[in-house]
Parts: sequence; structure tokens; C-alpha cells
Amino acid sequence: GDSVTQMEGPVTLSEEAFLTINCTYTATGYPSLFWYVQYPGEGLQLLLKATKADDKGSNKGFEATYRKETTSFHLEKGSVQVSDSAVYFCALRGFQKLVFGTGTRLLVSP
Amino acid sequence: ETGVTQSPTHLIKTRGQQVTLRCSSQSGHNTVSWYQQALGQGPQFIFQYYREEENGRGNFPPRFSGLQFPNYSSELNVNALELDDSALYLCASSSKRENPQETQYFGPGTRLLVL
Repeated sequence: GDSVTQMEGPVTLSEEAFLTINCTYTATGYPSLFWYVQYPGEGLQLLLKATKADDKGSNKGFEATYRKETTSFHLEKGSVQVSDSAVYFCALRGFQKLVFGTGTRLLVSP
Repeated sequence: ETGVTQSPTHLIKTRGQQVTLRCSSQSGHNTVSWYQQALGQGPQFIFQYYREEENGRGNFPPRFSGLQFPNYSSELNVNALELDDSALYLCASSSKRENPQETQYFGPGTRLLVL
């Protein structure tokens, strides 16, 4: 069945450091791919998405490119801020549902 | 544009009781999906409602049931609560009119604690 694998956290960075959170997936066909972010005590917010191979999703300085060859959708940001501290979830659009990874916690210190 | 809202925000129940959680979909959205997020885990799909009918179900027992109303709002009902039902319950709305691969937008969740 469909599945998503994310790198385990926590990822600890200093402010202005470069961020990469790895995400790979297994699916039939070419599903839409998403990154959601969850701040403490809150629900999920859509961060970015890509609907087909080679698409690049971007938002708030975050980027991810849909790589069909490597079945990956890694999240990157050139310079993180303390306010980016949260849990990040990679997800794919399966049949009628989203399939999520286990999440990666990001901690950014000043 | 009104986002997805859920009520209540927090709830404490005892084992064996029943609970009803509510969700109002985002304006213009006709589909509601429910997810369970255990502590430290990613959300797991419970079921989806479209046109007031269940339109897909994850690996959850029948004691998890739902409804969708003509205004597209939805309820999640859980009977015979178990300790493992303690989790954050997330509602997501989307619009099948736009795209079968529609983007789902989430509410803030209801945190349920079963004692």
C-alpha cells in the first residue's frame, strides 16, 4: 500500500542555518505530494504541494521538488528562523485520503 | 472565507462512554475527512464524507461512525471508548468539484482524553 517515510527528528538548527527534511514515498501511480506543518497545540497547516513530477512547491521560503525518479519530496529552506520550530509532515494523496509520514520535529535556536 | 472549525477543543471521557465531535467545513467545500493523530504520530485516516454518505474508510472499527449534514458540516461519533482512543482528532475539508485530487485543509482539532 501507499506509504511515506520521513527522516527522524528532532532536527536541531541554529537560526539562519540551511534546512533539509528528507521524505520518500511508495505509491501506485503519481500522487500529489504535500508538506504540512503543525505548531504546538494546533492542527495541520498546508505548507506547500506539488501535483506532478518535477513540480516545485514553495511557500514562506520553503521549497520541495517532486522527484519521480527517486520517489522523493524533500523539504528545504535556505535560512530558518526560530518561528519555524514545529513538526513537519510529508504526505501523499492516496485514494480518497492523505497518507502521512510520522513527522519530523524542527527546533531552531537563536 | 471561513476556515475549518472544530468543537470542542478539548474533551475528557471515561472508558466505555460515547463521544461526538463536530466539524464545520471551509466555505465552498463539500467533502469532509476525519483523521486520528496519536501522540508523536502522523494522522491516520478514519473516513471521508461526501454528499452526506461515507465515501471511504480507513482501518477503524465500526464503533467509529460519522454523519454529514446538508450544509456539509460533519460529526464523528465514537462508541464504547477505549484508552487507546485518546488522541487529537482532525477534520479536513475539501472540494471534489474542483479536482479529484483535491487539497485538504485542516481544522485545529479536538483533543480527546479517555481515562
